[in-house]
Amino acid sequence: ETGVTQSPTHLIKTRGQQVTLRCSSQSGHNTVSWYQQALGQGPQFIFQYYREEENGRGNFPPRFSGLQFPNYSSELNVNALELDDSALYLCASSTQQGAYEQYFGPGTRLTVT
Amino acid sequence: KQEVTQIPAALSVPEGENLVLNCSFTDSAIYNLQWFRQDPGKGLTSLLLIQSSQREQTSGRLNASLDKSSGRSTLYIAASQPGDSATYLCAVRPRSNTGKLIFGQGTTLQVKP
Repeated sequence: ETGVTQSPTHLIKTRGQQVTLRCSSQSGHNTVSWYQQALGQGPQFIFQYYREEENGRGNFPPRFSGLQFPNYSSELNVNALELDDSALYLCASSTQQGAYEQYFGPGTRLTVT
Repeated sequence: KQEVTQIPAALSVPEGENLVLNCSFTDSAIYNLQWFRQDPGKGLTSLLLIQSSQREQTSGRLNASLDKSSGRSTLYIAASQPGDSATYLCAVRPRSNTGKLIFGQGTTLQVKP
């Protein structure tokens, strides 16, 4: 197991609502990346945070936003939820050195009804 | 635009068989390539990471190779076991953006006792 934790494990929301997902990075890691994995698909990169700043973004609309805190933990916020937002949301922590290897958490399963 | 493809999408083999999973990518400008394992509804477990300058990596019964010029990687699993049943994902880290991983859709492996 990695030292990356995510909460909550499962979440059910209604279309139009807002949701916040949380991630605690592995000790010594200063970078957090978020991915969305729809059923039967590979994960898609949402964005990355390094030292509390967004450090790269995938092809996701602005209603997907994030934060990173001084302790390097992170939040993913999604506004105006749509049915297609139903997915497994994965966070990964890493450093900005060496192989940039990312260590993944267990994920949060979000269901939008 | 980098695209990663994994073939086949699903594979079923009897226990004890040696097998090969394939991954191809369209842009050879990669920093490294990583193979992951994912159990149903769970996060990703890193299996092997190959730097762009390397040809292969081995861990136990697993061997991953990389041919950057042809845009291909293979994951070889020796003497498969029922516990190897899972989805296997390959991901490339672009040289232009080492912050993100681009994933294939995965190969779901079933090893029958």
